[in-house]
Amino acid sequence: KAGVTQTPRYLIKTRGQQVTLSCSPISGHRSVSWYQQTPGQGLQFLFEYFSETQRNKGNFPGRFSGRQFSNSRSEMNVSTLELGDSALYLCASSLGLAGVSGELFFGEGSRLTVL
Amino acid sequence: AQTVTQSQPEMSVQEAETVTLSCTYDTSESNYYLFWYKQPPSRQMILVIRQEAYKQQNATENRFSVNFQKAAKSFSLKISDSQLGDTAMYFCASLSNDYKLSFGAGTTVTVRA
Repeated sequence: KAGVTQTPRYLIKTRGQQVTLSCSPISGHRSVSWYQQTPGQGLQFLFEYFSETQRNKGNFPGRFSGRQFSNSRSEMNVSTLELGDSALYLCASSLGLAGVSGELFFGEGSRLTVL
Repeated sequence: AQTVTQSQPEMSVQEAETVTLSCTYDTSESNYYLFWYKQPPSRQMILVIRQEAYKQQNATENRFSVNFQKAAKSFSLKISDSQLGDTAMYFCASLSNDYKLSFGAGTTVTVRA
């Protein structure tokens, strides 16, 4: 079974631009969660999508948004990029709601650098 | 959301020896779940072990075991017979009633040959 796939793996943007990251979950998994990982703040929860609906949301500004498609693939978008958005963005999938089992399967992440 | 604290930023252990990582958490809930996740260098994070708070028995997965002290809100991870492949960052996490996973800051473990 293929694991969680995130694209792109690395990208460089400049301040003010916007970025879209993609995540394909493990086949059969219906939940996709997104996390931001930085050396200073650690792992912070962004949001979770299940059956195309956002089920849970972390404390991030509205510049961070996401969506999920009918095939469970998910995208997250960050608009008006700031230097502080430089981070590793991790996607994780789970069979059911992540908040029920807590067992997440992570991708390798998309490393975003904002210049 | 719960607060998870890992007080050891880095630890080093000789191959074949044992290392214990500490984790404390803050919750007012009676039932919750606790986890240890492992993030090897440049590789995916994977679940190492999971503990349900209502279970008295400490969880064990091969060389990995936990010491769950509910009253003290402590959840330490013991890695026995350390192997080079155990080199990674380890995150303690808790699942609360708001259905969010809260992660600690992580502990980097280096296994020396």
